[in-house]
Amino acid sequence: DSGVTQTPKHLITATGQRVTLRCSPRSGDLSVYWYQQSLDQGLQFLIQYYNGEERAKGNILERFSAQQFPDLHSELNLSSLELGDSALYFCASSVGATGNTEAFFGQGTRLTVV
Amino acid sequence: GESVGLHLPTLSVQEGDNSIINCAYSNSASDYFIWYKQESGKGPQFIIDIRSNMDKRQGQRVTVLLNKTVKHLSLQIAATQPGDSAVYFCAERDSNYQLIWGAGTKLIIKP
Repeated sequence: DSGVTQTPKHLITATGQRVTLRCSPRSGDLSVYWYQQSLDQGLQFLIQYYNGEERAKGNILERFSAQQFPDLHSELNLSSLELGDSALYFCASSVGATGNTEAFFGQGTRLTVV
Repeated sequence: GESVGLHLPTLSVQEGDNSIINCAYSNSASDYFIWYKQESGKGPQFIIDIRSNMDKRQGQRVTVLLNKTVKHLSLQIAATQPGDSAVYFCAERDSNYQLIWGAGTKLIIKP
């Protein structure tokens, strides 16, 4: 158990809909990262938050947004969903902000858009 | 580089043999590298890291080698076991302190 909790584990929704994925980081970790992983592919970095502020942005679509709350949990909002958004979405957390410390990953949320 | 649309490279190794997983990185300014292991249905898990001022680092049954001249990273797993079956990702930290992930290599252990 990495200490990072993601909910829900599975999500099935229709095209055009909006969903919210939730992540609780490890206790004491200030950074939260969101990644997308399509079938049999690598991890695509979406966005990072550090202590409530957006720290870095990767290949995140405009239809997607995220935030980190004062209690450090984070939500990833995906809207106007398309079939191609079906993927595993991982959250990771780390102590620091600069990517030089080990990041711990959650189990992921498997999103299926039908 | 991007790996969209490509299948994962696969490495098949006999149980008990040593495995060597290779990774080419893109940025000569990258100063930190990590290997992660992702088992089926799970999130990636940290294995070992190395900083650019080193060329070798050893862990338990794993060794990471860094060749900065050719921008190449490798992960060696000694005496491969069935539990080593997974997808292995390398990641490099760029000058913006962000991790750039490789496409991954699927390791299959033959009994």
